Amino acid sequence: DVKVTQSSRYLVKRTGEKVFLECVQDMDHENMFWYRQDPGLGLRLIYFSYDVKMKEKGDIPEGYSVSREKKERFSLILESASTNQTSMYLCASSFPASGVNTGELFFGEGSRLTVL
Amino acid sequence: ELKVEQNPLFLSMQEGKNYTIYCNYSTTSDRLYWYRQDPGKSLESLFVLLSNGAVKQEGRLMASLDTKARLSTLHITAAVHDLSATYFCAGEETSGSRLTFGEGTQLTVNP
Repeated sequence: DVKVTQSSRYLVKRTGEKVFLECVQDMDHENMFWYRQDPGLGLRLIYFSYDVKMKEKGDIPEGYSVSREKKERFSLILESASTNQTSMYLCASSFPASGVNTGELFFGEGSRLTVL
Repeated sequence: ELKVEQNPLFLSMQEGKNYTIYCNYSTTSDRLYWYRQDPGKSLESLFVLLSNGAVKQEGRLMASLDTKARLSTLHITAAVHDLSATYFCAGEETSGSRLTFGEGTQLTVNP
């Protein structure tokens, strides 16, 4: 089974702190994604990566950065956390959609971040 | 830019009844995905619809895709309490493998 592991299920941070959210997948997927999920807003894409050291902005990249130094690991960084970044953060990975690969995303369990 | 809209957003139904969740999307999307999320849990893949006219079924759930109408449906047959969850559809952006999700439909099946 595909496993996407997020380092922290629950975090509480203070405004202005730097926050690292780590995600590791074990299926050799090229694509990795960070979404945030908020009530009434569904899932919104923050950043994604198609390959090591590559990154692309999603729909709401402001206030976030990412790092992908190894294929299996994709980190989301909040340089200076703010209260409006309190949310559920979901990491996902996939193969590119082509041939036998459907492009479906496999999600981690989520990291619930509270910024005070 | 792909936009995905689901309706209804909230659905309360009785066990044994049938209902359909609709997913409309704004621009061409070759693939349509359905996910389920239980409270406090992550998203689990249900169906991947890869072409016009595709139909997939798993237990009491059946999903279909009409790319000409830009519409996918998730049909629930004879609902049971265990189907209570939030269901998301997602379309694939033509520019790559990123998915755009709908707002989700929160389904509650009452005994």
